[in-house]
Amino acid sequence: TQTVSQSDAHVTVFEGDSVELRCNYSYGGSIYLSWYIQHHGHGLQFLLKYYSGNPVVQGVNGFEAEFSKSDSSFHLRKASVHWSDSAVYFCAVTRNNYAQGLTFGLGTRVSVFP
Amino acid sequence: DMKVTQMPRYLIKRMGENVLLECGQDMSHETMYWYRQDPGLGLQLIYISYDVDSNSEGDIPKGYRVSRKKREHFSLILDSAKTNQTSVYFCASSLWGGAGQNTLYFGAGTRLSVL
Repeated sequence: TQTVSQSDAHVTVFEGDSVELRCNYSYGGSIYLSWYIQHHGHGLQFLLKYYSGNPVVQGVNGFEAEFSKSDSSFHLRKASVHWSDSAVYFCAVTRNNYAQGLTFGLGTRVSVFP
Repeated sequence: DMKVTQMPRYLIKRMGENVLLECGQDMSHETMYWYRQDPGLGLQLIYISYDVDSNSEGDIPKGYRVSRKKREHFSLILDSAKTNQTSVYFCASSLWGGAGQNTLYFGAGTRLSVL
């Protein structure tokens, strides 16, 4: 069974601040990791993903994430947040078995204040 | 335009009534998904469809069934809805080959209340 843990339920930051959202997973095999964003009242949208290669992956809107096998982590970062980054962020994992969907963490709500 | 459309957006039903949630996509994606989202539980996978008439149970299929007669349409059916099926339901689609290497595209969701 694969699990995804997002330790922070809610993060509050000011515009221009940096932010890091933590994601830890538990699974021993080869997995795909991804981050999705959900703005209030909308469906989830893809931000970025990682499977192999450079452990730092770039996504849309200035987001990046870093994979660490030793820490079983895939943390999301942004150097300077904008008010429009206020949303819920979901970390997700899958073995990419075609028979599986994504397993999501519970999400981290980010509130950006001016 | 890559889009997943869910209808209706809001639905109120009484316990015991039948519920039909519909989802369409315009990307010719082979794989489609139904998730439900609940506070404290996150998103849980109900069903996956690999293509027309090729469906598989997800993690919480009890009380639900699905229908996929055309590649672009995927329906979720609740026969005799229960109050604990009150939730926000999301449909998603992706290319065939797994949810890891392929991006999932989500609809805006259907908020279902079963009274």
